[in-house]
Amino acid sequence: DVVMTQSPLSLPVTLGQPASISCRSSQSLVYRDGDTHLSWFQQRPGQSPRRLIYKVSNRDSGVPDRFSGSGSGTDFTLKISRVEADDVGVYYCMQGTHWPQYTFGQGTKLEIK
Amino acid sequence: EVQLLESGGDLVQTGGSLRLSCAASGFTFNNYAMNWVRQAPGKGLEWVSVINGGGGYTYYADSVKGRFTISRDNSKNTLYLQMKSLRAEDTAIYYCAKESSGSGSFDYWGQGTLVTVSS
Repeated sequence: DVVMTQSPLSLPVTLGQPASISCRSSQSLVYRDGDTHLSWFQQRPGQSPRRLIYKVSNRDSGVPDRFSGSGSGTDFTLKISRVEADDVGVYYCMQGTHWPQYTFGQGTKLEIK
Repeated sequence: EVQLLESGGDLVQTGGSLRLSCAASGFTFNNYAMNWVRQAPGKGLEWVSVINGGGGYTYYADSVKGRFTISRDNSKNTLYLQMKSLRAEDTAIYYCAKESSGSGSFDYWGQGTLVTVSS
């Protein structure tokens, strides 16, 4: 099974400051068609997960451009350029390359300092 | 607008059974694979099972294989998860999630339904 490892697991950030979350996979996430199926989800307190980013760097509709994804192979990053209060929650990476065995990272809890 | 509405969660005894449902609307249901993902209290997300659009292909996480059965009724736009031999560690919020074509990802999630397994 592909293991997804996120760091840090806890991320205290000052409002207006940037934030960065790392996600590493135990195997390459490059699919046979050349795409890389790495997504990022946000889960606000008491809510369902919401997808922010798919295929490494593609933002979903309605997602602020403060959020960006990057990376390749086994090493990926979610960046928030300026953290707002609304960004509090847990962030998960997920791989879909090794379908149908999807796997999530452990989650990174973002809080305001 | 895509909507996924789970139901069927309940308090059940260890060893018992339960069937969850997920009513879908706002998209052509039979064109998309559907998944169940669960989240134990205070824990992270765990993928549980997937079924393809036609219903002929299913796959399960090792933790539920042989105990859970995923199915769908495309005439009713509804996804199901039949759970048996339930254990305390199956206690979780169960979400249904729609796969998005070509992205190896889930673009829409339901609000979840809580399953509590207790002796």
